[in-house]
Amino acid sequence: GAGVSQTPSNKVTEKGKYVELRCDPISGHTALYWYRQSLGQGPEFLIYFQGTGAADDSGLPNDRFFAVRPEGSVSTLKIQRTERGDSAVYLCASKGAANTEAFFGQGTRLTVV
Amino acid sequence: AQKVTQAQTEISVVEKEDVTLDCVYETRDTTYYLFWYKQPPSGELVFLIRRNSFDEQNEISGRYSWNFQKSTSSFNFTITASQVVDSAVYFCALSEARSGGSNYKLTFGKGTLLTVNP
Repeated sequence: GAGVSQTPSNKVTEKGKYVELRCDPISGHTALYWYRQSLGQGPEFLIYFQGTGAADDSGLPNDRFFAVRPEGSVSTLKIQRTERGDSAVYLCASKGAANTEAFFGQGTRLTVV
Repeated sequence: AQKVTQAQTEISVVEKEDVTLDCVYETRDTTYYLFWYKQPPSGELVFLIRRNSFDEQNEISGRYSWNFQKSTSSFNFTITASQVVDSAVYFCALSEARSGGSNYKLTFGKGTLLTVNP
């Protein structure tokens, strides 16, 4: 596609439920990032993929968070046993080898009630 | 650890005024990149500029200009003759420079909400 696509755009879930957030990067981009943006804050790094492998997952807050990118393209961020504190906008970005900057999607707004 | 501080939480100006958004950063890296992103109400982050720590030349792009002062660890952003369409949240960010000139993990400031009134 022309840009980074994230689905769903909005997700409301009950506390304790499992959610999956999807990111479709720009075609051909090998680098993919997930960030989390809480209200009134800047985005915070979660995880970085280079190809299929997670090159840096140091930003994942705890073991309830997990992300995969099995074929080196689409990535899924998975959150188990969601908590109200997980409510935020989850942003995905991708970058090609020839680019100096990452391109961001519009994010998924997750609300845990 | 890296840190980016944007002391101005909100700025409100009238159209055609000039406005400067401040950014101060902290890093132990000798080589790093600085960025500015714009986040309009639609939510996506729009890249504006990347600056290498070795390049302290100021840059101008249309109504936008950036002042990088390594001595004060600042990377300020000025919009000249502001327009209503400039209204957005602006983020300053920092990343280490990896081998080969790539960068990946961005540390963002908290952002400055700029409102340009007609």
